[in-house]
Formats: sequence, C-alpha cells, structure tokens
Amino acid sequence: ETGVTQTPRHLVMGMTNKKSLKCEQHLGHNAMYWYKQSAKKPLELMFVYSLEERVENNSVPSRFSPECPNSSHLFLHLHTLQPEDSALYLCASSQVFLAGSGGREQFFGPGTRLTVL
Amino acid sequence: AQTVTQSQPEMSVQEAETVTLSCTYDTSENNYYLFWYKQPPSRQMILVIRQEAYKQQNATENRFSVNFQKAAKSFSLKISDSQLGDTAMYFCAFMALSSSNTGKLIFGQGTTLQVKP
Repeated sequence: ETGVTQTPRHLVMGMTNKKSLKCEQHLGHNAMYWYKQSAKKPLELMFVYSLEERVENNSVPSRFSPECPNSSHLFLHLHTLQPEDSALYLCASSQVFLAGSGGREQFFGPGTRLTVL
Repeated sequence: AQTVTQSQPEMSVQEAETVTLSCTYDTSENNYYLFWYKQPPSRQMILVIRQEAYKQQNATENRFSVNFQKAAKSFSLKISDSQLGDTAMYFCAFMALSSSNTGKLIFGQGTTLQVKP
C-alpha cells in the first residue's frame, strides 16, 4: 500500500448504529486530518492530529469521535448520526515542521462515502 | 481569519485550449503557502501545484502554471493544452506558516472544470 488509504470506501448506516472509519498513511508523516465534503460546500476541516495529539477540533458534534493511536493511523468513530451527516469523509496527512514554519502539502485518501438513513 | 474565494463554480474548455481558474484569498499573514488541488470524478484529491508566498517567481508544473499576485491576494491557475483527463473539480487552498503549526488548509468552494472533446 502506498500513500493514504481509507476503509471502507462506502458505508450505509442507520441513525442508531455505531461504526468507525479508518485511515492509514504510508508516507512517514507526523500529522493527520479529517475533512467533511458535502455537496456544494467547501471542504470542512473536522480534526487535526499532530504527533498523535489532537491539536484542533473544529466545533464538531460529539457524535463524531476521532482517535489517533499512532502517527500512521487515524479513526473516526461514528454514533447516533443524523441524515445531514451524509457526506464524503476525507482523510489527509502531511509533514508538519516543529520549528514554527507550518507544514507541507497534504496528501489525501480516496474518501469514505457515508450515507445515513 | 483567512478566507479563500473561488468565484467560478463551473467552467468548460475545448480540448487543447487554455483555461484560467481564479482564486482570491484574504489574510493578514505574511508567510504562507498556496495550493491548487484537483479532485477527479474518482474522488482522489491530488496536489496540482504549490506556491510559496515569499517566492516572486510563479510556480509551474508541466501544463499547469500559476499567476501569483501577492499584493492583490490573487492566485489563478492556468491549464495549457487542456486534456480530457483534466476534467475535475479544482480547489484553491491556503496554509499559514504560523507558530500554531498545525498545517491546516483553508479551501475555496471549488471550480468544476469540464474539458470537451
């Protein structure tokens, strides 16, 4: 496997289900990101993990719960979702510099197409 | 707060012709990166080109080039000799090189480009 992979690619769930999205990066990066992409809207940043520590949470409802057990893996745990949560969920990774100079470009996975019934 | 605006929701171009996609941004930062990403119908987001704000020279990558006007906060993408495979949604994105250092990207709304045979 190369780059950034995401599983599953498609997921249909009911509002009472619990499911998890998985992301894995094979690039040796130290930061990972979750984005939500809805139709006709810009990509919305949800969470940022840098060096396995959550450094940003963009006012995301608690029904979305991220987990980053190590620098290569990122999960998004889902429970009691709403139909408006149906979207494409994209994972990305990048190399963030530690000297206060930001980071490099992000590499994206193929996304998980989530449908909430 | 930074914002990125793409004012052209949809564009089309004939194969082999040239097209320019517009992007403007607003920021008080002096050091930052700008990116153009491409998202084909298969949904894998791919980096097209990157521009460092401190560089006056416009970035180029084969048929893709940018016109970076820092004072005007403008960052347009020119695609020369358009090919059918260039059909995709194109996103302009901004990354501040600030001390917060999360590598966060701010995306525009996207421009859907269709290359016609």
